[in-house]
Amino acid sequence: QQKVQQSPESLIVPEGAMTSLNCTFSDSASQYFAWYRQHSGKAPKALMSIFSNGEKEEGRFTIHLNKASLHFSLHIRDSQPSDSALYLCAVNTGNYKYVFGAGTRLKVIA
Amino acid sequence: GGIITQTPKFLIGQEGQKLTLKCQQNFNHDTMYWYRQDSGKGLRLIYYSITENDLQKGDLSEGYDASREKKSSFSLTVTSAQKNEMAVFLCASSIPDNSGNTLYFGEGSRLIVV
Repeated sequence: QQKVQQSPESLIVPEGAMTSLNCTFSDSASQYFAWYRQHSGKAPKALMSIFSNGEKEEGRFTIHLNKASLHFSLHIRDSQPSDSALYLCAVNTGNYKYVFGAGTRLKVIA
Repeated sequence: GGIITQTPKFLIGQEGQKLTLKCQQNFNHDTMYWYRQDSGKGLRLIYYSITENDLQKGDLSEGYDASREKKSSFSLTVTSAQKNEMAVFLCASSIPDNSGNTLYFGEGSRLIVV
């Protein structure tokens, strides 16, 4: 059964810093890898996703995937207080079932 | 754009009671999901429905029933509410896209068992 783990559990960074969030998975057959962001009391929203090795950049956000090491990450450049939220990584083996990590709670201090 | 509407936002029930959560989506998506969110444990899949009239068990289906009444609606029933089931229940819908199968979530229903 797929196991997805995130690190760190929580993180406090100053405004303007680079933030790095990590996610490891156990099933080497996994095909889709995504990050979701959930502000307090709100719905989780898809942030970025990737399905092939390498990196993908969208604005201040970059996602890295290394399937061989069963690891992907999210990097936030120039972190802003509005980025403070719970970040959830999710992995899919090509069916309809996404398995989520427990989340990293990020706080960006002005 | 579309929206996922979950009702009620808060559901208070007694131990042993049967309780139902409802979800409506106007994305016209085929697939719908129910996830449970406990603090520190991420999201765990309870039930999902690939198309209307389909029902599939997730990893956490014991103690729950689900019903896909029509394409736009998906209900979840807690068959006998227990205090250790107090959590936020999230409904989502999805459609295959270039990113795999992006999930669109509602804001959640919080279950409180007294």
